[in-house]
Amino acid sequence: EAAVTQSPRSKVAVTGGKVTLSCHQTNNHDYMYWYRQDTGHGLRLIHYSYVADSTEKGDIPDGYKASRPSQENFSLILELASLSQTAVYFCASSVQGYEQYFGPGTRLTVL
Amino acid sequence: QEKVQQSPESLIVPEGAMSSLNCTFSNSASQSIWWYQQHPGKGPEALISIFSNGNKKEGRLTVYLNRASLHVSLHIRDSQPSDSAVYLCAVRTGGYKVVFGSGTRLLVSP
Repeated sequence: EAAVTQSPRSKVAVTGGKVTLSCHQTNNHDYMYWYRQDTGHGLRLIHYSYVADSTEKGDIPDGYKASRPSQENFSLILELASLSQTAVYFCASSVQGYEQYFGPGTRLTVL
Repeated sequence: QEKVQQSPESLIVPEGAMSSLNCTFSNSASQSIWWYQQHPGKGPEALISIFSNGNKKEGRLTVYLNRASLHVSLHIRDSQPSDSAVYLCAVRTGGYKVVFGSGTRLLVSP
């Protein structure tokens, strides 16, 4: 049973549109993360959260918002999608200081 | 800001050979270092971690850490085609913060 799930698995969005990516974990972990992966850049941290109803900015937060309504759920919101946000997005969860457990990813294409 | 560099970018080895992957980081105070494996279309999966100078062995995997030279390496003994994947080096710098390298693509040829 997958412990971190993401939806949708792929998405095509129009420039200027709103996109919401969802993540659900059953690991009972406090920490959750959103990363984007681009060729040649590895994984870059967008937002993270260590408790429900609170989110923190990562290294590349511009153009993204995050929401953590419960321990299990963490969303990434693109209010005005842009071409440069075309990427694969990964959600992960962890206990602080330990390995991160990743979801299967969402491939986002902005046209 | 921690910087993590991996080499080589890609590596091809024959089945049964040793695969050696390298990672350098910029801060000697960095805490644990993790290696993740990522198959195409999948999320990364943690393989092995190391905190102290020296080496750590788990099955076919061995990790060497040298904090003085800011270098960590992963060695896969008896490489198998199923080991073909992208390997990511991840350095924990404190608290939640983990910085990932851009990865080494390993191809094990039958």
